[in-house]
Amino acid sequence: QLQLQESGPGLVKPSETLSLTCSVSGGSISSSSSYWGWIRQPPGKGLEWIGTIYYSGITYYDPSLKSRVTMSVDTSKNQFSLTLSSVSAADTAMYFCARRPRGYSYGHFNYWGRGTLVTVSS
Amino acid sequence: QSVLTQPPSASGTPGQSVTISCSGSSSNIGINTVNWYQQLPGTTPKLLIYSNNQRPSGVPARFSGSKSGTSASLAISGLQSEDEADYYCATWDDSLNGVFFGGGTKLTVL
Repeated sequence: QLQLQESGPGLVKPSETLSLTCSVSGGSISSSSSYWGWIRQPPGKGLEWIGTIYYSGITYYDPSLKSRVTMSVDTSKNQFSLTLSSVSAADTAMYFCARRPRGYSYGHFNYWGRGTLVTVSS
Repeated sequence: QSVLTQPPSASGTPGQSVTISCSGSSSNIGINTVNWYQQLPGTTPKLLIYSNNQRPSGVPARFSGSKSGTSASLAISGLQSEDEADYYCATWDDSLNGVFFGGGTKLTVL
């Protein structure tokens, strides 16, 4: 059974960079059948897609976040990561990592991590 | 203004049927498949319907999805108290080049 787990600081100061890692177990991040994504949810609000990455490094980012987002894959650790620069209070959210099976639509995420809450505050 | 529009709330009594709509445009729902997610209170979203009308293994048959033109719908029959959750539609938008979720619909089982 595939499992994903997010990790990273729970508190980030405004204007600094948010960095999160998603550890994948029960499957290989280098699998040709998987894409890996980040989705966030501000407190009390809806879901927002941040971006998706393939193990080869191909990335797709939300157009409104594209200038601040970088995603990467570490196949040796079976992890993928998210960095979001110049954060503000608007970036306070629960951040989820998820898996998208290849061959299905871009909005299809069938495995999710439990999420990690990131608060942006001084 | 959201790319995908859902009603903020819906309700029904146990045993009833309820339908949740997701309205989009020709650049998203009109040409791409729609997925639906269920998020129970305090939990992680769960894929409920994919490719417009397909159920993942383990999802009861009383959940069904459909798409017509630039709109999609999630129907729940035989409503149960445990169906009380937030429901989100999601799809890709070819003009904006991104995945978009609807604003979510909070389903209350009265």
